[in-house]
Amino acid sequence: DVKVTQSSRYLVKRTGEKVFLECVQDMDHENMFWYRQDPGLGLRLIYFSYDVKMKEKGDIPEGYSVSREKKERFSLILESASTNQTSMYLCASRARLGGVNTQYFGPGTRLTVL
Amino acid sequence: GIQVEQSPPDLILQEGANSTLRCNFSDSVNNLQWFHQNPWGQLINLFYIPSGTKQNGRLSATTVATERYSLLYISSSQTTDSGVYFCAVTSGTYKYIFGTGTRLKVLA
Repeated sequence: DVKVTQSSRYLVKRTGEKVFLECVQDMDHENMFWYRQDPGLGLRLIYFSYDVKMKEKGDIPEGYSVSREKKERFSLILESASTNQTSMYLCASRARLGGVNTQYFGPGTRLTVL
Repeated sequence: GIQVEQSPPDLILQEGANSTLRCNFSDSVNNLQWFHQNPWGQLINLFYIPSGTKQNGRLSATTVATERYSLLYISSSQTTDSGVYFCAVTSGTYKYIFGTGTRLKVLA
């Protein structure tokens, strides 16, 4: 079975802190995604990485950056956390575009910024 | 861009009942998935089904790509089926478009 893990289930940080959210997948997938989920707004794509060191902005990249130094790991960085970044963060991975490319999700990180 | 609509938005069932959830999309797609988000927030992959019919236990799904809809059937529902069901599509790119979900509550 595909396994996608995230570093924390729950996280509480203070405004202005630098926050790192880590995601690891064990299926040698090329593509990895970071989403946030908010009530009434659904899932929104923050960033996408199609391979090591490659990234593309999603719909809401402002206030975030990402790092993909190894194929299995995709990190989301909040440079200076703000209260409006309180949300559920979901990581996903998928084999490369084309063919059967099922997307698999991690368990999510509920981040609260005080 | 593609629009994805799901219906009904909310559904309450008695345990043992059957249900049908619908996903309509506005353009042709090359990828369609159904997910179940459990009460702890994790999205569980149910089906990868850009076309045709698949079954997995009490769940089955059908996508009619030419008519731009997909259906998820839940038979003999159980309380553990509660949660939110999402469909998500792509159309030639990496980006998934998610529907707004159907919130299902199964009562014991």
